[in-house]
Amino acid sequence: GAVVSQHPSWVICKSGTSVKIECRSLDFQATTMFWYRQFPKQSLMLMATSNEGSKATYEQGVEKDKFLINHASLTLSTLTVTSAHPEDSSFYICSAVNSGGYTEAFFGQGTRLTVV
Amino acid sequence: LAKTTQPISMDSYEGQEVNITCSHNNIATNDYITWYQQFPSQGPRFIIQGYKTKVTNEVASLFIPADRKSSTLSLPRVSLSDTAVYYCLVGVGSSNTGKLIFGQGTTLQVKP
Repeated sequence: GAVVSQHPSWVICKSGTSVKIECRSLDFQATTMFWYRQFPKQSLMLMATSNEGSKATYEQGVEKDKFLINHASLTLSTLTVTSAHPEDSSFYICSAVNSGGYTEAFFGQGTRLTVV
Repeated sequence: LAKTTQPISMDSYEGQEVNITCSHNNIATNDYITWYQQFPSQGPRFIIQGYKTKVTNEVASLFIPADRKSSTLSLPRVSLSDTAVYYCLVGVGSSNTGKLIFGQGTTLQVKP
């Protein structure tokens, strides 16, 4: 099946610094990718839709200046958490759909962010 | 996107068949029903997808009644490794961008 890879799998950063998370579709092109956040024992919460070559679309309540999304190619989207704070500590997951025809969304393995 | 309702948790024993039902009363005509499985600290994994009647693959079956207002995921002969959270999602199929809104999911605990 199609593979979506996230990097890094986990990261620890200091409060006030920025962290970049990459999401790559390894064997297909993805015009659209999605970023989710998941807190312990909770469901996935959609943060934003990443569109190749254009601005991301953010869900209500998600700060676009804090969570910067760049989708510069058909296989790569990045999420940058700027000026991270402990409350940003969470599990971040991306998903992608094949531009050649949607059948299902493929998810990355997730990135565990811990802000200390 | 249609809202889904599932039981929050279920318990089962190894070797049993598990059926998880999901309600989606507001499903639209061109919506597909998709089930995902998630283990702790991992991204969701696709299990099965269907539009109507019955779909079966190597890991599960999906039963969808004629009115499509609910669906049932059937896991045959579960093992301890099937302990996970199962999400039922409803969204447009072939023309969908892939945007999925997750409900609370069903935590399945398989006991020895």
